[in-house]
Amino acid sequence: AQSVTQLGSHVSVSEGALVLLRCNYSSSVPPYLFWYVQYPNQGLQLLLKYTTGATLVKGINGFEAEFKKSETSFHLTKPSAHMSDAAEYFCAVSAAGGSQGNLIFGKGTKLSVKP
Amino acid sequence: NAGVTQTPKFQVLKTGQSMTLQCAQDMNHNSMYWYRQDPGMGLRLIYYSASEGTTDKGEVPNGYNVSRLNKREFSLRLESAAPSQTSVYFCASSYSGGGQSPQHFGDGTRLSIL
Repeated sequence: AQSVTQLGSHVSVSEGALVLLRCNYSSSVPPYLFWYVQYPNQGLQLLLKYTTGATLVKGINGFEAEFKKSETSFHLTKPSAHMSDAAEYFCAVSAAGGSQGNLIFGKGTKLSVKP
Repeated sequence: NAGVTQTPKFQVLKTGQSMTLQCAQDMNHNSMYWYRQDPGMGLRLIYYSASEGTTDKGEVPNGYNVSRLNKREFSLRLESAAPSQTSVYFCASSYSGGGQSPQHFGDGTRLSIL
């Protein structure tokens, strides 16, 4: 069975500061990992994904994430926060080689950016 | 491209009423999904359709039924609405069900049951 844990339901940073959103997963098979962002009253948008290959993955809006198998982590970072980054972020895992693309989502981390 | 379109965007129902949430995608995707989002719970899978003609239960299927009408459309039905089904419902689609295809989401249906 797979699961995702996002540490911290709320994270607050100052504009220009480093953003670090933590995600740890549990999977008995090699995972596919995703980060999604949700702005108020909207659906989820894909930020980035890891399937195979390079463990440092770059996404949209300056975000990146690193897959660390030994730590079962896929933390999301951005060097310098912008006010427009305020949103809720979801980490998700699916089973590599699975017959269905079912995603297991974490409970989300709401990011606030202070001016 | 419209992507994934959900209708209606908002709905208020009384306990015991029925309704169908509609979802259509124009990306020629094979797999489609219905989730519900509740505060502090993330997204939970209700039903999915790996390909046209197939549907399967997800994590929280009780009280819901689905129909994969064709490749483009996947509807979610509440036969007898209950207050516990007050939630935001999201439809999503992906090119394949193999796990690595990212899912594309609609903007959601906000459903309140009184």
